[in-house]
This record gives sequence, C-alpha cells and structure tokens, in this order.
Amino acid sequence: GAVVSQHPSRVICKSGTSVKIECRSLDFQATTMFWYRQFPKQSLMLMATSNEGSKATYEQGVEKDKFLINHASLTLSTLTVTSAHPEDSSFYICSARLGGGLAEAFFGQGTRLTVV
Amino acid sequence: GNSVTQMEGPVTLSEEAFLTINCTYTATGYPSLFWYVQYPGEGLQLLLKATKADDKGSNKGFEATYRKETTSFHLEKGSVQVSDSAVYFCALSLGSARQLTFGSGTQLTVLP
Repeated sequence: GAVVSQHPSRVICKSGTSVKIECRSLDFQATTMFWYRQFPKQSLMLMATSNEGSKATYEQGVEKDKFLINHASLTLSTLTVTSAHPEDSSFYICSARLGGGLAEAFFGQGTRLTVV
Repeated sequence: GNSVTQMEGPVTLSEEAFLTINCTYTATGYPSLFWYVQYPGEGLQLLLKATKADDKGSNKGFEATYRKETTSFHLEKGSVQVSDSAVYFCALSLGSARQLTFGSGTQLTVLP
C-alpha cells in the first residue's frame, strides 16, 4: 500500500513554544489529509480535514488558531501546535487519501508530543 | 451524531484461540465500516472493510460482517497467532469528506 511518513515521531518542548509536525505522502498525491489526536486509552479524535490549496475544516471544539494546519502541496501537510501547554501533550496522527468517495486513507506513524 | 463503541481491552489469549472483538455503531445514514490494526511503533493499517449491509470483509484470517439489523461489525479470527498482537480499531466512514470515526481501540496480546 501507499506510504505516509510523519515526522517527528517524538518531540518534547517547553510550555509556550510552538511545534511543527509534518505529514508526507511518499508515493502518491493526497488530495485530502486528516489530523487526529489520541489520548491514552481513548479513540482517535478527528481534529481537522484539509484539502490541498484550501483552508482546513476544523471539528467543533478544536481551536484553529492554536492548531495551525497547512496543506500547501499534494504531498505535504503540516500541523503546528502554537504556544503549547502541558494539556496539549498527546499522540497526533495524520492520514492521507487519494481522491474522494471510498478511497482508502493511509496513516502516518504518529507523533508523541510532550509539553513540559 | 456518528459513533463507534468497541469492546474494551486489553484482551489476552493463548495462541490458536478464537478471537472476537465486538463493535457496534450509531450513524445517521449508511456508513462504510472498517477494522484497522496498529502494530507497536507503527501507524494504523487497514485490515478489512465492508461497504454495505451483509458484506463480509476478510483479510489475513480475520473476518467481519456488516450487520445492519444489529448495527454491528464484530471482528473474528478462528486461530490467533503471537504476531496478531496489536491494537485493533473499529471505524466508520460517512459524510461528504468520508472522514473516519473511530472506536476506542482494543489491545490484543497473544501468548505463545
């Protein structure tokens, strides 16, 4: 299957700093990318959906000014956690999909963010 | 809204045991249903899917049948192996962007 690479896999940052997470589709062009957040022993919660070249659509309760999403090309989406706080510590996972309809979504390995 | 309720884990089985992981869903409409697997240190991988009622998805010895009458999509395998140890997520897809709604995940450990 197609490969989605997410980087970094782990990051520790200080409170108040910003962290950027990259999600790349390595061997296909992703028209749509999704960002999820997973708390320990809980489900993956969809944060936002982004289409290349347009603004991301955020789920209810997700602060768009805090979680900045950029999908500037068909192979790269970035999630920037701005002014991070300890409560932002979580596991963030991206997925990328080629086309619409029932096209399969491929997932990155996830990023473990710890804010100290 | 849409939701997926998944059997809580962790589940520990001996090799060659029979596996069932229950999954039920609530959806406004007719969703597609999926099982994803996450091996340690890796991303989620699609295990199997079903797109309409009574469809059976199967892969690597795992099976799940889309039951509309009971709104269920239970995952089964007749004889598990140590290599099946992973976290399993049930999910549904619905909506214009076909985004996925996940269950909470079930940790499976298979002992030799």
